[in-house]
Amino acid sequence: QKEVEQNSGPLSVPEGAIASLNCTYSDRGSQSFFWYRQYSGKSPELIMFIYSNGDKEDGRFTAQLNKASQYVSLLIRDSQPSDSATYLCAVEGGATNKLIFGTGTLLAVQP
Amino acid sequence: DTGVSQDPRHKITKRGQNVTFRCDPISEHNRLYWYRQTLGQGPEFLTYFQNEAQLEKSRLLSDRFSAERPKGSFSTLEIQRTEQGDSAMYLCASSSARARAVNYEQYFGPGTRLTVT
Repeated sequence: QKEVEQNSGPLSVPEGAIASLNCTYSDRGSQSFFWYRQYSGKSPELIMFIYSNGDKEDGRFTAQLNKASQYVSLLIRDSQPSDSATYLCAVEGGATNKLIFGTGTLLAVQP
Repeated sequence: DTGVSQDPRHKITKRGQNVTFRCDPISEHNRLYWYRQTLGQGPEFLTYFQNEAQLEKSRLLSDRFSAERPKGSFSTLEIQRTEQGDSAMYLCASSSARARAVNYEQYFGPGTRLTVT
């Protein structure tokens, strides 16, 4: 079992819709969770982080965390074509706080 | 631009040659990480520095790889006797250990894309 699992997609949504991206993790001791956006050929860009159970909202983005279910998700409201990218879920692991990434979900927003 | 810079951005080398990459973290960040990313995969952790001390190395970091952070500022990653399997994007990230912080957000540089022919 991989430590961090994501559906590779592609996830296709129409412009203006809500995109829902999901991630599960295996280490129950994980405390910190991150979502990065990565455009093709570019490096990952941090867009959200969440540490407590529940929802965290930042503009059009909402991160949701359920530690009991070992599940974290990212909702993107009013999706735009510019949101088309790979979204990487990352979980902090170990004393050095290194990040353990999933393989990413490719999101395609159709105009 | 996150404030993390990497040089070079692209490197093409022949198998068997040595290559060295440089990372300059955000100036006040004392934590520095190296990751490697291949096509279709998420970044994989290679090694971690806190100030000048290298505190963790992944099993991915074979004997051909060495990393340094001599003055706790910039870092270098050297690959000796490159192999075609070393072709990847090499990413550097930095974060700050703030007092009473419960987490340390990592910010990535633009990466160095290595192609071994």
